[in-house]
Amino acid sequence: DSGVTQTPKHLITATGQRVTLRCSPRSGDLSVYWYQQSLDQGLQFLIQYYNGEERAKGNILERFSAQQFPDLHSELNLSSLELGDSALYFCASSLGGDLYNEQFFGPGTRLTVL
Amino acid sequence: AQSVTQLGSHVSVSEGALVLLRCNYSSSVPPYLFWYVQYPNQGLQLLLKYTSAATLVKGINGFEAEFKKSETSFHLTKPSAHMSDAAEYFCAVIFTGNQFYFGTGTSLTVIP
Repeated sequence: DSGVTQTPKHLITATGQRVTLRCSPRSGDLSVYWYQQSLDQGLQFLIQYYNGEERAKGNILERFSAQQFPDLHSELNLSSLELGDSALYFCASSLGGDLYNEQFFGPGTRLTVL
Repeated sequence: AQSVTQLGSHVSVSEGALVLLRCNYSSSVPPYLFWYVQYPNQGLQLLLKYTSAATLVKGINGFEAEFKKSETSFHLTKPSAHMSDAAEYFCAVIFTGNQFYFGTGTSLTVIP
């Protein structure tokens, strides 16, 4: 158990809908990272927040957005969902604000778009 | 464009044999390099990372990797495979400008 929690574990929705994925980092960690893992795209870094501020940005679509709240939990919002958004979404956390800091991964949220 | 290449999407080794998983990256500037392991139905776990210190990096579970600038490679090795090493392995690289990319992964099968 990494100490990173993600909810929900599974999510099934329809095209065009909007969903929110939630992540709680390990106690004391200030950074939260979001990743997408799909058969088509592989594993992709989406975005990082550090202590409430966006720190680094990867291949995140404009339909996707994220934020980190004062209690340090984070939410990833996915809107206008398409079939191709079906994937496993991982959250990770680290103490420091640099990408090369050791990251601890949560178990993931599996999103299925029908 | 920056890229991370893992040669061999599937590798099979016998228990006790040498494990060699290959990773090459496209950059003239030494980046940060990582190897992660993913067990079925779990998130990723960091095995080891290179951050411009020693070129031979030792990680957890007996794994190590050698950074070779001239070959732009960061291959992962383990002298003796265990059944518990069966998993998916990902090489990842942070390029200049905080560009963070993963390879396509190598599935390791260990044959008893």
